[in-house]
Amino acid sequence: DAGVTQSPTHLIKTRGQHVTLRCSPISGHKSVSWYQQVLGQGPQFIFQYYEKEERGRGNFPDRFSARQFPNYSSELNVNALLLGDSALYLCASSLGGGVGAYEQYFGPGTRLTVT
Amino acid sequence: AQRVTQPEKLLSVFKGAPVELKCNYSYSGSPELFWYVQYSRQRLQLLLRHISRESIKGFTADLNKGETSFHLKKPFAQEEDSAMYYCALSHFGNQFYFGTGTSLTVIP
Repeated sequence: DAGVTQSPTHLIKTRGQHVTLRCSPISGHKSVSWYQQVLGQGPQFIFQYYEKEERGRGNFPDRFSARQFPNYSSELNVNALLLGDSALYLCASSLGGGVGAYEQYFGPGTRLTVT
Repeated sequence: AQRVTQPEKLLSVFKGAPVELKCNYSYSGSPELFWYVQYSRQRLQLLLRHISRESIKGFTADLNKGETSFHLKKPFAQEEDSAMYYCALSHFGNQFYFGTGTSLTVIP
């Protein structure tokens, strides 16, 4: 298993545009979490999905949304991009939601640059 | 509000010396606490969680509810311990809060 995979590796967008980031969890994992990591900071929790339902949400504006598909892969969408959205976006998968999410496996991240 | 504080951004110790990475938290309840590590050019990975009370790679961490701390310790630092360390807190496994991280350098 290649572990958690994310695509694209990096991308550049312009202010006001929309972006979709993708994540494929480890086979057998049913939970996916998304994080934003700004340079010099720790990961900031955005969402957690388990069995296609949102189980947790961090303190991010409604411009951020996500969904999980029947195969447990996930997309993170960000609308009306701002310069401050430039960051590394991390995806993590785990076996389950709730306490089953404690052991998270992280992907390599998608580096988003907004100009 | 939930918060995790790592007061040291950078920490350098000599090989063989003891190392302690500090972590303090604020949480209204019984927290689940973790240490994550990121070695150079590798992914973020779980090092240990307080509930398991395991020693991983010689590291231990004790939850002190009175001082709201979860410091990471190792009696004898090794060069391969050089990495970025993050303390994290979980709210019932549905939300996670990470500290800003401490970059540990072990000097040969």
